[in-house]
Amino acid sequence: QKEVEQNSGPLSVPEGAIASLNCTYSDRGSQSFFWYRQYSGKSPELIMFIYSNGDKEDGRFTAQLNKASQYVSLLIRDSQPSDSATYLCAVSTGGFKTIFGAGTRLFVKA
Amino acid sequence: EAGVTQFPSHSVIEKGQTVTLRCDPISGHDNLYWYRRVMGKEIKFLLHFVKESKQDESGMPNNRFLAERTGGTYSTLKVQPAELEDSGVYFCASRDDWPGSPLHFGNGTRLTVT
Repeated sequence: QKEVEQNSGPLSVPEGAIASLNCTYSDRGSQSFFWYRQYSGKSPELIMFIYSNGDKEDGRFTAQLNKASQYVSLLIRDSQPSDSATYLCAVSTGGFKTIFGAGTRLFVKA
Repeated sequence: EAGVTQFPSHSVIEKGQTVTLRCDPISGHDNLYWYRRVMGKEIKFLLHFVKESKQDESGMPNNRFLAERTGGTYSTLKVQPAELEDSGVYFCASRDDWPGSPLHFGNGTRLTVT
């Protein structure tokens, strides 16, 4: 079992729709959870981080964490073509080590 | 604030040659990481420095890889001798000192071994 699992996609949504990206992790001791966006040929850039169960909203983005189910998700509302990228889920334990999932490719169709 | 910088951005070398990658973290970040992404795969952890000390090098694939961070500032990652499977994008990242702080990535070095 991989430590951080994501559906590789591609996930295709029309412009203006909600994109839902999901991630599961195996280490119950994980404490910090991150979503990064990576455009082709570029470095990952941080979108959201979440530490507590529940929802965290930032603009069009909402991160959801359920530690009991070892599940974290990212919702993108009013999806735009510029949101088309690979979204990486990352998980940290208390020891500063961050593990990444393989990423989900998102296509937003104009 | 300057971000994480990596050099070179691209490197093409022949199997058996040596390559050294450099990373300059964000000033003041004691935690420095090396990651590698091979085509189609996830970003894999290689190692973690705290200042000049190797905190965790469990991801280093073998003894052909040597990472250093003398003086606790910039870091180098040397591959010697390079093999075909070493091709990929090598990312450096740094972070602040509080637990749960996010990683800040450099633009990566794309290494191609032919």
